[in-house]
Amino acid sequence: RKEVEQDPGPFNVPEGATVAFNCTYSNSASQSFFWYRQDCRKEPKLLMSVYSSGNEDGRFTAQLNRASQYISLLIRDSKLSDSATYLCVVTQYSGNTGKLIFGQGTTLQVKP
Amino acid sequence: GAVVSQHPSWVICKSGTSVKIECRSLDFQATTMFWYRQFPKQSLMLMATSNEGSKATYEQGVEKDKFLINHASLTLSTLTVTSAHPEDSSFYICSARLPGQGARRPQHFGDGTRLSIL
Repeated sequence: RKEVEQDPGPFNVPEGATVAFNCTYSNSASQSFFWYRQDCRKEPKLLMSVYSSGNEDGRFTAQLNRASQYISLLIRDSKLSDSATYLCVVTQYSGNTGKLIFGQGTTLQVKP
Repeated sequence: GAVVSQHPSWVICKSGTSVKIECRSLDFQATTMFWYRQFPKQSLMLMATSNEGSKATYEQGVEKDKFLINHASLTLSTLTVTSAHPEDSSFYICSARLPGQGARRPQHFGDGTRLSIL
């Protein structure tokens, strides 16, 4: 079983749609959680951190459910520029170093 | 703006060549940097943790003699792919955390290096 699992998609949605991505992680000792965005053939860029209390940044809302080991990302009013791969990332500790464990990514294509 | 710089961004070379990739922290000191590899349509996989002034810590399955890491200064880590072969063709990315930020904080990534071995 993968440590971080995501539905690879692709999710094809029209502009203005609301789309939700889900992610599960297997290690209950995971400490911190993030969503990164990766454009084609580019490096990942941090989208937002994820907290149990929820985190909202404009059209983006992220939520963590520790009991279910489940992370979500909601994108409202999708824009063409939101088309990218969204990576669910958890941090696991090894000694004093936090290691990032990446999901496979969920591909979003927003169409006019 | 970018906080981590990676060079070169693209390398094409013959099988058997050794390739060095540089990762620099811009305007800050990074005692720890991370090297990842990403194959097409797959997730990023941590290869090793680069520690300034000491040996790198390699993940299971990563050959330390194949992927040489040197972190000789607080702003520079290098990854050398020795005697590269076509199966080493991949997207290599480094990352670092800003100083003063603990392991719970996100990492910032370099632009990545696309390595193609012919």
